[in-house]
Amino acid sequence: NAGVMQNPRHLVRRRGQEARLRCSPMKGHSHVYWYRQLPEEGLKFMVYLQKENIIDESGMPKERFSAEFPKEGPSILRIQQVVRGDSAAYFCASSPDLRGLGSEAFFGQGTRLTVV
Amino acid sequence: DQQVKQNSPSLSVQEGRISILNCDYTNSMFDYFLWYKKYPAEGPTFLISISSIKDKNEDGRFTVFLNKSAKHLSLHIVPSQPGDSAVYFCAASGSSNTGKLIFGQGTTLQVKP
Repeated sequence: NAGVMQNPRHLVRRRGQEARLRCSPMKGHSHVYWYRQLPEEGLKFMVYLQKENIIDESGMPKERFSAEFPKEGPSILRIQQVVRGDSAAYFCASSPDLRGLGSEAFFGQGTRLTVV
Repeated sequence: DQQVKQNSPSLSVQEGRISILNCDYTNSMFDYFLWYKKYPAEGPTFLISISSIKDKNEDGRFTVFLNKSAKHLSLHIVPSQPGDSAVYFCAASGSSNTGKLIFGQGTTLQVKP
């Protein structure tokens, strides 16, 4: 049973380009969470999605950021017109049910976005 | 507004001794607390959790203590092993039950052989 798969592991974008980060949850998991870790900081919640629904996007910046989790395929975190401040590690986690905490939630290895 | 704080950025202990990592929180609505361990270039791995109705939870070498009146929790690792060297994050969740976790800044633990 493969874990949470994120790709790419490393992504370099020039300022103004778009970044697309993908997350395939564990098999049987229908809940996906995205977190961002800025250098020297803890993880910050961004968004919580179920299949085809955004449940909680209270941590998403109001502009340039969007997330989706379609019926088929991975969850996508999209950052338009990237700026240097978007450079961070982006982690995805998945869980089988609503609670999604503790031993039930598994994190991927992250995508390290560098904006040059 | 840092609702979960880990005030010690780093901790160094000798192999075999006890490691104590501390975490403070400000939001009294938090009802579930977790500790995660993270190695470089990897995602966080769940270690242990505790509900607000308890004051202690133990799993092998790891014990988490919760002091609700002080809004403080701690993770004890005993005996510490070199493989425990990693960054440890404390996290909290409220009763909204959406799976949203609020993380502390992390403490880097180094266990010396």
